[in-house]
Amino acid sequence: EDQVTQSPEALRLQEGESSSLNCSYTVSGLRGLFWYRQDPGKGPEFLFTLYSAGEEKEKERLKATLTKKESFLHITAPKPEDSATYLCAADTTLHGSSNTGKLIFGQGTTLQVKP
Amino acid sequence: GAGVSQSPSNKVTEKGKDVELRCDPISGHTALYWYRQSLGQGLEFLIYFQGNSAPDKSGLPSDRFSAERTGGSVSTLTIQRTQQEDSAVYLCASSRRRDTEAFFGQGTRLTVV
Repeated sequence: EDQVTQSPEALRLQEGESSSLNCSYTVSGLRGLFWYRQDPGKGPEFLFTLYSAGEEKEKERLKATLTKKESFLHITAPKPEDSATYLCAADTTLHGSSNTGKLIFGQGTTLQVKP
Repeated sequence: GAGVSQSPSNKVTEKGKDVELRCDPISGHTALYWYRQSLGQGLEFLIYFQGNSAPDKSGLPSDRFSAERTGGSVSTLTIQRTQQEDSAVYLCASSRRRDTEAFFGQGTRLTVV
């Protein structure tokens, strides 16, 4: 069964304290790995898409990386405004089929950055 | 608008009543998705539209749930005879194509009392 697992569930950091969030996936035929940020009461906000192992993408203090089994979201010198829930999702289109739009989401990591 | 718009933002309904949730996707986006997010749960896939067709309805939890999309644009998710377990935030997303990033609306919080 396709599965995406994120760890830790919650993370508290001091401002400036760098860390990484983990997203482990067990899916067949991964076509893409997506990272989203979700603030309370809002819909998820797109951050990154990674398509192949070894790929890296950066945006401000965030860097996402991908291996064949997991993805990491590295947060460098975080600020309080980085506090949010970070979600990863796997595109599980099977065997080249384009007939499914299902993204398998992890449960998310809730990040709190204290000043 | 520039983003995905959902209405209403909040809906409180009595058990047994029908509700309709609306989604206006980003203009030009051919793919549209509905997800459900319950308290403390991850996002649960409901249905995927490509144009006006729904090639994947596998996530609809029961036959009380249905959705349609017209003109390759607006979509409506209908829940008939609502139950308390239907209470959740219903999120709509759209993407330019099936395999590109999806952009989410702010969601409709449904409460069944």
